[in-house]
Amino acid sequence: DTEVTQTPKHLVMGMTNKKSLKCEQHMGHRAMYWYKQKAKKPPELMFVYSYEKLSINESVPSRFSPECPNSSLLNLHLHALQPEDSALYLCASSRYIQAGGEKLFFGSGTQLSVL
Amino acid sequence: DAKTTQPNSMESNEEEPVHLPCNHSTISGTDYIHWYRQLPSQGPEYVIHGLTSNVNNRMASLAIAEDRKSSTLILHRATLRDAAVYYCILRSQGGFKTIFGAGTRLFVKA
Repeated sequence: DTEVTQTPKHLVMGMTNKKSLKCEQHMGHRAMYWYKQKAKKPPELMFVYSYEKLSINESVPSRFSPECPNSSLLNLHLHALQPEDSALYLCASSRYIQAGGEKLFFGSGTQLSVL
Repeated sequence: DAKTTQPNSMESNEEEPVHLPCNHSTISGTDYIHWYRQLPSQGPEYVIHGLTSNVNNRMASLAIAEDRKSSTLILHRATLRDAAVYYCILRSQGGFKTIFGAGTRLFVKA
């Protein structure tokens, strides 16, 4: 199994809602990543987890709250989002974080619309 | 973090080779050069990576300049399914971040 699975594929939420994005991999990877991608722009790094611990937070607003409950699962909890947060949210994984030769495996993303 | 520079877009004819360039003049000795591509409505997909030597796999070839300040992704025979945005990125051996540059949008004409 070489897949990174993201659910849901599409999400529409209001600014007062609370929702969560889920990412799962069963490749035994110990590094997991959240990226945000606006239309026609490259992915922007948000968070990096290594061995279930948060290693990097790229100054992301607190309305985005990541969680890594175990080595296979990565969540992104959303609360009080703004319309400008509408984007494609991508999850990725790699075997290790500190290994430049390791490939990144990406999910197909969750397309989020905030109304 | 070292950055990469790529042309905004390139065009190719179907069945012809495509050479996608990438400049990374601030690359450090431990940075690996990775290429990913993103098809419409999908997440990025790994294509190839290398450190110093040229690399080949079933998808493409990667040619790395001797000084490592630039590299070229070679698609040997472009197909319509190769139309995508191609990203050249650097991943460091000791670092944590993987930062994407703007990428090259490849158009393939039938």
